[in-house]
Amino acid sequence: GAGVSQSPSNKVTEKGKDVELRCDPISGHTALYWYRQSLGQGLEFLIYFQGNSAPDKSGLPSDRFSAERTGGSVSTLTIQRTQQEDSAVYLCASSPGRRGGANVLTFGAGSRLTVL
Amino acid sequence: GQSLEQPSEVTAVEGAIVQINCTYQTSGFYGLSWYQQHDGGAPTFLSYNALDGLEETGRFSSFLSRSDSYGYLLLQELQMKDSASYFCAVRDGTGGFKTIFGAGTRLFVKA
Repeated sequence: GAGVSQSPSNKVTEKGKDVELRCDPISGHTALYWYRQSLGQGLEFLIYFQGNSAPDKSGLPSDRFSAERTGGSVSTLTIQRTQQEDSAVYLCASSPGRRGGANVLTFGAGSRLTVL
Repeated sequence: GQSLEQPSEVTAVEGAIVQINCTYQTSGFYGLSWYQQHDGGAPTFLSYNALDGLEETGRFSSFLSRSDSYGYLLLQELQMKDSASYFCAVRDGTGGFKTIFGAGTRLFVKA
């Protein structure tokens, strides 16, 4: 697509429920990132996919968080047994990969998660 | 590990010049980038430095000194619309070249 698409844009859930957040990157971009941003804070790295390589999961805060990327395109971030501290905006970004523009990340509009 | 340090807030007047500094610590440095984020919006790419020196893009310039692990973003002829958060980011060569962001600098432009 023309840009990075994320859905849902807003999600309100109850503590303890599972949520899935979806990211559709720019077509042809081999690198895909998930970041978390709390209100007024910086971008916290969560996970990074690059082509067919094993993802870098070093930023996932707990085993309740997982992500997958199917067919090198769409990615889903899953948060199990949500907690109130999971409330944040979850941003997805993609880039062309290791060569040519690898340093230019294009972000989606984000998914705002509120855990009650 | 990786870390980036930048001031939390900067205030300047319209028409002025402002410099936002960033120092970093990382293994396998692969370039310093800058992003702008308006309230409620997504971060957007501004500039990238892989080599030492100054890169100019219109009113914005970015500088890098690899020996000092330091860079800055220079904004000239400030406009009210430049009020936003500015993030420096590094590509880290460990673990597959992921991009890590600083905590951001909130720029307030006053009339």
